Amino acid sequence: GENVEQHPSTLSVQEGDSAVIKCTYSDSASNYFPWYKQELGKGPQLIIDIRSNVGEKKDQRIAVTLNKTAKHFSLHITETQPEDSAVYFCAASIDTNAGKSTFGDGTTLTVKP
Amino acid sequence: DVKVTQSSRYLVKRTGEKVFLECVQDMDHENMFWYRQDPGLGLRLIYFSYDVKMKEKGDIPEGYSVSREKKERFSLILESASTNQTSMYLCASKLAGVSYEQYFGPGTRLTVT
Repeated sequence: GENVEQHPSTLSVQEGDSAVIKCTYSDSASNYFPWYKQELGKGPQLIIDIRSNVGEKKDQRIAVTLNKTAKHFSLHITETQPEDSAVYFCAASIDTNAGKSTFGDGTTLTVKP
Repeated sequence: DVKVTQSSRYLVKRTGEKVFLECVQDMDHENMFWYRQDPGLGLRLIYFSYDVKMKEKGDIPEGYSVSREKKERFSLILESASTNQTSMYLCASKLAGVSYEQYFGPGTRLTVT
């Protein structure tokens, strides 16, 4: 089955700096890669996603890049703010009716004011 | 707004008890999922359902069963709770097909003593 590895497990940055979280996947059939943010006491929530026919996608301060050849994708957050502090999960999905995703282990991001 | 609700935020049960965790979604989603979340282990899929009365095992189904009698409701059952099932349980739902986000409930923190 699919295996997703996520690094780093913890990341601490100063407010205003950039943060990068990286994930690799094993199954070349995976074609949908969402990123979720989980704030304390809440369930994860989608923040950005990318499909396998796209190399990069941006939404304001967050961007995701995908390298299908190398089977890795990354989340980039620029101009970090304290409210970006949360646990971030990457995931990889294969096109089936169930559409289940395999998640990485998560990255705890702390943005220091 | 999609809403996924879980029957309890916190639950304390004794070893050997039968435990029911209920999840309800209000957006007519075909797919529903049960995950457990443990520190450093990310989100691990227990079971998922792609239609009413249809279910498939995820990565860690041992000790669990599920029921989906109605489209909006997906129940997770611990037949005989054990201490190693102490965890955060998250339910999610999505439309059928791969490229759709999962909507998560707030989670149930289960403690088995």
